[in-house]
Amino acid sequence: QQQVKQSPQSLIVQKGGISIINCAYENTAFDYFPWYQQFPGKGPALLIAIRPDVSEKKEGRFTISFNKSAKQFSLHIMDSQPGDSATYFCAASKGGATNKLIFGTGTLLAVQP
Amino acid sequence: KAGVTQTPRYLIKTRGQQVTLSCSPISGHRSVSWYQQTPGQGLQFLFEYFSETQRNKGNFPGRFSGRQFSNSRSEMNVSTLELGDSALYLCASSLGSSGRNGEQFFGPGTRLTVL
Repeated sequence: QQQVKQSPQSLIVQKGGISIINCAYENTAFDYFPWYQQFPGKGPALLIAIRPDVSEKKEGRFTISFNKSAKQFSLHIMDSQPGDSATYFCAASKGGATNKLIFGTGTLLAVQP
Repeated sequence: KAGVTQTPRYLIKTRGQQVTLSCSPISGHRSVSWYQQTPGQGLQFLFEYFSETQRNKGNFPGRFSGRQFSNSRSEMNVSTLELGDSALYLCASSLGSSGRNGEQFFGPGTRLTVL
C-alpha cells in the first residue's frame, strides 16, 4: 500500500514535443504529490506539487494532472527542451505529522535537439 | 538564501567501518529527512527529525541512526558498513510538516562507497 508506481522507465522526446510521465498509487491516505527533477551528480529538485483538492496545476511549461478516483497523477512537460533531459521522480506523502516521501522508480527523459 | 549543504560530498570506506554524514538545512527549516538512493532500490526514506526528535523511521537496520541538534543540523551514522551500503545519501529540509511548510528541498548528497 506504500508503493508508488511510475512509468515509463525511460522516454525519448523531440525538442518542442510533449513529455508525459505517469504515476499511480494505492494508499488513499496520501495527500501530497510532488514531482522532482534530478540531474546527474545533483540532488532532486522540487519541480511542482499538487494536493488532491485540485485536478490540475500548471507552472510554466510543467503541468500536473491528478485523477483522485483512479489514484493516478501525471506530469506533462510542454515544449520540451534539451535542458529538460534529466531523471524525474514522482512521490507521495501522507502529510500530517510527517514529511516522509514515497518515491516512484524514476523516468529518464532525453529530449533530442 | 543558502540551500541544503551536506558534508562530505564523497567518502570511501571499507567494510566494517563506521561513517558519519552531516547535513545543514536551509536557514529557518526545522525538519530534516534522510534518504538513500541506489540504482537498484531507488530513493528510500531513512528517517526524519523535527525539533531534535525523530518522528518517523524507514525500514532500515539499526546500523543506521541519526540525530538532530538544537540548530537543526543533522547527522546520520552507519555502523559496521556493508558493501550494500554504497549509495548516495540525501538530506532534505523543510519548514515543518503541514501545507507548503512540508515542501522538501534536497541537498547534493554524500556519495558513500564501501570497499
